[in-house]
Amino acid sequence: EAGVAQSPRYKIIEKRQSVAFWCNPISGHATLYWYQQILGQGPKLLIQFQNNGVVDDSQLPKDRFSAERLKGVDSTLKIQPAKLEDSAVYLCASRGIFGQYFGPGTRLTVT
Amino acid sequence: AQSVTQPDIHITVSEGASLELRCNYSYGATPYLFWYVQSPGQGLQLLLKYFSGDTLVQGIKGFEAEFKRSQSSFNLRKPSVHWSDAAEYFCAVGEQNDMRFGAGTRLTVKP
Repeated sequence: EAGVAQSPRYKIIEKRQSVAFWCNPISGHATLYWYQQILGQGPKLLIQFQNNGVVDDSQLPKDRFSAERLKGVDSTLKIQPAKLEDSAVYLCASRGIFGQYFGPGTRLTVT
Repeated sequence: AQSVTQPDIHITVSEGASLELRCNYSYGATPYLFWYVQSPGQGLQLLLKYFSGDTLVQGIKGFEAEFKRSQSSFNLRKPSVHWSDAAEYFCAVGEQNDMRFGAGTRLTVKP
């Protein structure tokens, strides 16, 4: 089966600019996650969707981060405006029977 | 609150040598435990998981892990390391809807 797809793979922006990331989960997976992985750390959950509803967004910095999954399939994560400390890899995962399956991530560099 | 500790930030082993990566957890109930591997520029790949039953769990790529409740540990082992095993390894604890990751252990394999 096809894995979790993410784009772009790399993005470089200046601080205060906006950026959006896209995720397409494995077909049939109802639960989707966005994680932030800062260099040298493990992934930190930002938001979890069940179909098109938000299950947990307690660690999402809502003043600048937003995410949606309008049709319960693809999802987008947006940062507006970006800060230097947002430089990280943003991982998308979807949940199957045997656990969470991760995409390759989007590496964001904020200069 | 659940948490995961990986005491070793970086480990170097010779090719063909045995490997053990440590993971300690804190969790209120019987935990679900996972090990993931992340190669440079890649997403996380699930190596193995423990939900219940036999405390010695076999995974992919020749890895195994043992759940020891008395020590709150879930160490990852491999009897003979291959150069391709060089990567970052993450232990995670929790349920599929709420996973917490350790900071990771970077494995270097010497020829």
